[in-house]
Amino acid sequence: NAGVMQNPRHLVRRRGQEARLRCSPMKGHSHVYWYRQLPEEGLKFMVYLQKENIIDESGMPKERFSAEFPKEGPSILRIQQVVRGDSAAYFCASSPLLAGGGNEQFFGPGTRLTVL
Amino acid sequence: DAKTTQPNSMESNEEEPVHLPCNHSTISGTDYIHWYRQLPSQGPEYVIHGLTSNVNNRMASLAIAEDRKSSTLILHRATLRDAAVYYCILRGSTNAGGTSYGKLTFGQGTILTVHP
Repeated sequence: NAGVMQNPRHLVRRRGQEARLRCSPMKGHSHVYWYRQLPEEGLKFMVYLQKENIIDESGMPKERFSAEFPKEGPSILRIQQVVRGDSAAYFCASSPLLAGGGNEQFFGPGTRLTVL
Repeated sequence: DAKTTQPNSMESNEEEPVHLPCNHSTISGTDYIHWYRQLPSQGPEYVIHGLTSNVNNRMASLAIAEDRKSSTLILHRATLRDAAVYYCILRGSTNAGGTSYGKLTFGQGTILTVHP
């Protein structure tokens, strides 16, 4: 059973460009979470999605960031007009149907975004 | 979210047991205690979780205090591959309502160094 897949693993963008990060959850998982880890900082929750629904976006920056998890296909984290401060590692995690306190999240290897 | 407190760093020798403490004095009755770890340049990895009783799995053991205000992650025989940042995280139950049960709130964690 393949784990959580993220691509690309490394992404370089110039200021003002768009970045699209993809996450394919584990088979059978319908809950996806995105986290960001800025250099020398801890992991911060960004958004929690179920298929076609955003459940909790309390950690998403108000502007330029959006996320989706369509009925078919991977979850996408989209960053418009990137700035240098967006340079970070972005991790995706997934969990099975019941996303409650007793269930674990499975993390992908991350996408490392560098903004020049 | 209820807060956890962990030592910034700990050191161990290879093949020796390691006890990683975590204080969570404001834990609620429905909060699960989760442990994750992050190896260098990798995504977080689930280690173990529990609610009230001590737990064992192939990776580690989790000892939970009777009043649940603290817990200890036990690695029975540390290896060099166990060098990582270890995070103690509280997660609410779905039965508690709200959406906060979905996300993981990472603190600074404990940096574990294992000496050969």
